[in-house]
Amino acid sequence: DGGITQSPKYLFRKEGQNVTLSCEQNLNHDAMYWYRQDPGQGLRLIYYSQIVNDFQKGDIAEGYSVSREKKESFPLTVTSAQKNPTAFYLCASSIPGQGSYEQYFGPGTRLTVT
Amino acid sequence: KQEVTQIPAALSVPEGENLVLNCSFTDSAIYNLQWFRQDPGKGLTSLLLIQSSQREQTSGRLNASLDKSSGRSTLYIAASQPGDSATYLCAPDNYGQNFVFGPGTRLSVLP
Repeated sequence: DGGITQSPKYLFRKEGQNVTLSCEQNLNHDAMYWYRQDPGQGLRLIYYSQIVNDFQKGDIAEGYSVSREKKESFPLTVTSAQKNPTAFYLCASSIPGQGSYEQYFGPGTRLTVT
Repeated sequence: KQEVTQIPAALSVPEGENLVLNCSFTDSAIYNLQWFRQDPGKGLTSLLLIQSSQREQTSGRLNASLDKSSGRSTLYIAASQPGDSATYLCAPDNYGQNFVFGPGTRLSVLP
């Protein structure tokens, strides 16, 4: 049963702590993406990776870090430098390239920092 | 930089109505445009992907059209049902690198 898993579904942290969000896919997709969604807004791109051991900053990368050591995994770390980390975080994957490709999404992780 | 708007922001209709959701984007240099559905607190579900060479795509009661030169796409939902209630997001790509998302249209279909 192929798909994208994100864990945990809900995450609570104290301000000043780093936290890592998990994203795993078994779709054999090369490209993976992290988005942030705030209430009433569309998705904003944080980081993306087209291939293992390579990744690029999106529109709002400040305060976040990623790694891509395995094709199946693309964890996102929300650091203490992120000024407003409370949000809904979505991971996606696709086959990279400029042709016909669809993005598939995981169920999301809702992070609350107090 | 690609910017995306969606009109209306919210829509409430009685069951059975046909409806149209609109999406506009500023940069017509796209390879694809994807329509998604999002239920409250959930991830996104892909509905339709339109390649830039296509003018429309159909899946069941859904039909999406693309006018790349004018920077517009529409999602047509026929014979709406309460189960169609969700937020609908359009996302043209950004020079084939990644998708740029609109703010969405929140649809309520009343029984």
